[in-house]
Amino acid sequence: QSVLTQPPSVSAAPGQKVTISCSGSSSNIGNNYVSWYQQLPGTAPKLLIYENNKRPSGIPDRFSGSKSGTSATLGITGLQTGDEADYYCGTWDSSLSAGGFGGGTKLTVL
Amino acid sequence: EVQLVESGGGLVQPGGSLRLSCAASGFTFSSYAMSWVRQAPGKGLEWVSAISGSGGSTYYADSVKGRFTISRDNSKNTLYLQMNSLRAEDTAVYYCAKGPAVTTSRDVWGKGTTVTVSS
Repeated sequence: QSVLTQPPSVSAAPGQKVTISCSGSSSNIGNNYVSWYQQLPGTAPKLLIYENNKRPSGIPDRFSGSKSGTSATLGITGLQTGDEADYYCGTWDSSLSAGGFGGGTKLTVL
Repeated sequence: EVQLVESGGGLVQPGGSLRLSCAASGFTFSSYAMSWVRQAPGKGLEWVSAISGSGGSTYYADSVKGRFTISRDNSKNTLYLQMNSLRAEDTAVYYCAKGPAVTTSRDVWGKGTTVTVSS
């Protein structure tokens, strides 16, 4: 059972925009930073967003993150077929003193 | 170039032990927290354990608490995960990952090492 809740799948057409939600609680998202990771098939996860809304060097501004209360959202604009991947949100849970991830969302670019 | 290379995975019988290593290069190892994250076949990411840069603070998922031990040797730029009393449900790809702190993001990941627990 994941600490955070994500939709299992989302889909959109090339060039369109998609959002992926991540729901938690006051002990995790509500009081800690959220990060987002992209995992292409057969590869290790890659950091997309850190500290709720910051992009590491090299991540295009098509990817954005936001947080409100106990939920967070990843946004991807100008969808490309190369964006097809699994996306995970992650955070720290202060009550558990443990890290946690969402169950992952599979993005399909139709 | 910042790089993490895991090793030590393999096939082990239920109840057995295994020690994973993660060799780090390209950054000041002792300045960063490190984590282990695993992924069972066809499943999502599961946070396993984390350790502070000094090694003085360690954290574990309930699923491995009491069976796994995370440690680091800052003189060798190496992270370890000692896994005892292994179960079938521990079968996964194990990734090591670097983060500025235990509670924050993981900005660099290794390619992973596969652990299979089976008789």
